[in-house]
Amino acid sequence: GQSLEQPSEVTAVEGAIVQINCTYQTSGFYGLSWYQQHDGGAPTFLSYNALDGLEETGRFSSFLSRSDSYGYLLLQELQMKDSASYFCAVRASSGATNKLIFGTGTLLAVQP
Amino acid sequence: DGGITQSPKYLFRKEGQNVTLSCEQNLNHDAMYWYRQDPGQGLRLIYYSQIVNDFQKGDIAEGYSVSREKKESFPLTVTSAQKNPTAFYLCASSSDRRGTGELFFGEGSRLTVL
Repeated sequence: GQSLEQPSEVTAVEGAIVQINCTYQTSGFYGLSWYQQHDGGAPTFLSYNALDGLEETGRFSSFLSRSDSYGYLLLQELQMKDSASYFCAVRASSGATNKLIFGTGTLLAVQP
Repeated sequence: DGGITQSPKYLFRKEGQNVTLSCEQNLNHDAMYWYRQDPGQGLRLIYYSQIVNDFQKGDIAEGYSVSREKKESFPLTVTSAQKNPTAFYLCASSSDRRGTGELFFGEGSRLTVL
């Protein structure tokens, strides 16, 4: 089967740093994406890692280790507006397709 | 503005009725997708289409049907054969010229079966 595992909930305070981990087991692997979803809203794309290493985009960074089937999303200088669900997603098919397999999501609560 | 429009936002249906959810995009994207999200859960792929007049089943296609007659449109029909249709349905599109892991989502349609 194919599975992605993330913690179900994470709590942190404003201004802090939080790391959301994702481990995956899929039949194929071509990249790991991260999405943010506020309650009842549309998921929005945050980052994509196809190669090992760290990608930085403003306050958010994403890391991938293909040998460990593991990645994480790092959120720095947390703000209240960062309270949302975060999903990792694997691009498991070759070719020019963005068909993704999603994890069950991590609910991040940022406290004052 | 470019984007994806889903309608209706909320829909109530009686058991045994079919219902069609609309999804339109003006991003000129080749690929379109339908995902289902249940409370506290991740997104599960129902159907996807990489090109007009072609579509593929996802992981949970049973009880659903789609069509792709135009590049801009990818409607989803939830049939009476779907045993548990109450859910949040999300449509997405992507430019499949290269795999970037980036999907653009609509605001979703929340279906409740009474």
